Amino acid sequence: GAVVSQHPSRVICKSGTSVKIECRSLDFQATTMFWYRQFPKKSLMLMATSNEGSKATYEQGVEKDKFLINHASLTLSTLTVTSAHPEDSSFYICSLLVGGAYNEQFFGPGTRLTVL
Amino acid sequence: GQQVMQIPQYQHVQEGEDFTTYCNSSTTLSNIQWYKQRPGGHPVFLIQLVKSGEVKKQKRLTFQFGEAKKNSSLHITATQTTDVGTYFCAGYGSSNTGKLIFGQGTTLQVKP
Repeated sequence: GAVVSQHPSRVICKSGTSVKIECRSLDFQATTMFWYRQFPKKSLMLMATSNEGSKATYEQGVEKDKFLINHASLTLSTLTVTSAHPEDSSFYICSLLVGGAYNEQFFGPGTRLTVL
Repeated sequence: GQQVMQIPQYQHVQEGEDFTTYCNSSTTLSNIQWYKQRPGGHPVFLIQLVKSGEVKKQKRLTFQFGEAKKNSSLHITATQTTDVGTYFCAGYGSSNTGKLIFGQGTTLQVKP
């Protein structure tokens, strides 16, 4: 399967700052990546679909100006949480769509964001 | 919109007991996937079921996809402490947009 990395794995920041999270596909060219957030003991909530070379598609209720997504290459998508606030503290996970007959998704290890 | 429900939310079992989690979709699914997330970790793909009535086994894990392709189950025989984690089902809608809809997950605790 595909190998996905995320950086950083953990980040603590002050309220009002912006944080960039990188999602890399190490061995697969991904035209589509997904960004999820997961609150403690909760399920994964899809935030947006990241499309290489075009604008991301955001799910209802997700502020596109707050969660900036850039998918400039087939191996890298970034999520920037702008002007972070404590309520943005969460576990952010990316995945990439391998496609084919089964549309498997492979998840990155996640980034735990804590906003003070 | 499409919803995927999963029960139970939590399950505590004694090591050696069996465990089952159930997944139900409000709409027909093109396929269903199961993931396991260990505490502090990320979801790891376990299996995908595509065909109506399909049954697949992975050692002590048995996965079923309902005839109507709206429900699925994961059964673990003789649980071990290594089975601890949260099990998620996730389905693609019939439109197959590539967006996975996740169930709420079932968290399994195994007492040694």
